[in-house]
Amino acid sequence: GAGVSQSPSNKVTEKGKDVELRCDPISGHTALYWYRQSLGQGLEFLIYFQGNSAPDKSGLPSDRFSAERTGGSVSTLTIQRTQQEDSAVYLCASSLSGLAGYEQYFGPGTRLTVT
Amino acid sequence: AQSVTQLGSHVSVSEGALVLLRCNYSSSVPPYLFWYVQYPNQGLQLLLKYTSAATLVKGINGFEAEFKKSETSFHLTKPSAHMSDAAEYFCAVRSNTGNQFYFGTGTSLTVIP
Repeated sequence: GAGVSQSPSNKVTEKGKDVELRCDPISGHTALYWYRQSLGQGLEFLIYFQGNSAPDKSGLPSDRFSAERTGGSVSTLTIQRTQQEDSAVYLCASSLSGLAGYEQYFGPGTRLTVT
Repeated sequence: AQSVTQLGSHVSVSEGALVLLRCNYSSSVPPYLFWYVQYPNQGLQLLLKYTSAATLVKGINGFEAEFKKSETSFHLTKPSAHMSDAAEYFCAVRSNTGNQFYFGTGTSLTVIP
């Protein structure tokens, strides 16, 4: 079946511009996560959506970052006024359930380069 | 608080040799533990997971990991390395009291022919 998809796969933007990154989770998965992976670093948690509950935004690094999930499916991560330090691979993952024992399925990521 | 430490950012083994990738965790509550693999230019794939059942967990591609509570470890092993095992490996922990998965910084495995 179809896995998690993300678009675009690569994005180059100028400093100060806004960008939107899209994630299509696996159908039926109620939990959705966004992570940031910088060169040589592990995965940094950004935000978590579970069903219709309020999202856990505790990992967002600044108020320039926001995310929404429409209809419990597609999610968009928006970065406003991009900075060079925002350059990274942004990964989306979905899970059948938000319960702890359920593994995440990852998309291929969006590589963001801020020039 | 929860965290994961992966000792050794780079590990090299000869083809056919034992693979040992180390992961230590800290968690104030019983953890759920995961190993993921990331092949070049691909997304992360689940190798195996520990969810408080058997302490020795078998995963895909011949990998296994043992949960040792006394050592707070969840090391990943494979008896005989194959060239196709060359990849980045990530250990992750999550408790049942929070939403987050905490990932280690990863270990890059190189297999020498």
